[in-house]
Amino acid sequence: DTEVTQTPKHLVMGMTNKKSLKCEQHMGHRAMYWYKQKAKKPPELMFVYSYEKLSINESVPSRFSPECPNSSLLNLHLHALQPEDSALYLCASSQVPGGMGRYEQYFGPGTRLTVT
Amino acid sequence: GDSVTQMEGPVTLSEEAFLTINCTYTATGYPSLFWYVQYPGEGLQLLLKATKADDKGSNKGFEATYRKETTSFHLEKGSVQVSDSAVYFCALSVTKTSYDKVIFGPGTSLSVIP
Repeated sequence: DTEVTQTPKHLVMGMTNKKSLKCEQHMGHRAMYWYKQKAKKPPELMFVYSYEKLSINESVPSRFSPECPNSSLLNLHLHALQPEDSALYLCASSQVPGGMGRYEQYFGPGTRLTVT
Repeated sequence: GDSVTQMEGPVTLSEEAFLTINCTYTATGYPSLFWYVQYPGEGLQLLLKATKADDKGSNKGFEATYRKETTSFHLEKGSVQVSDSAVYFCALSVTKTSYDKVIFGPGTSLSVIP
């Protein structure tokens, strides 16, 4: 199984709502990532978890709150978002953190988020 | 700092034409190099990779060779199909303290017409 799954596929939320995005992988990967992708742009790294611990927060606003409950699951909690946060949110995983860059990342299909 | 440059397109080709997408990089050390592809409405998929100089990655008729002397990793395919229409991202991966950071190029949009 080389699949990363993400739910929901689409999400529309108001600026006062609280919602969560979910990501799951069963490949035994120990590094998991959240990216934000705007239309016609490459993905931008938001957070990295290595061995279920937060390794990096790329200066992401606090209205985005990541959580890694176990080695297979990654959540992104959303609260008080702005319309400019509308984007495709991608989850990815890779085999070993700090693996000399050799290991590719496996991406999920993404959650298309619209903030109204 | 580390960066990736690639032709942005859009690139439009007829079916069975030859494809080249140029990619050059700047990095300290010895990064691994990747091509990812994103089909409409989907996430990214790894197309091919090379982890050291002179390695050739290949998959589904696509090829790219890691050229350290020219810091390049150009993507080629001899005969494109309509199903190859997608956005192609060149990327490098560098090791930070506790994780590998992937740096993407801006992406090249490819349309193949029958």
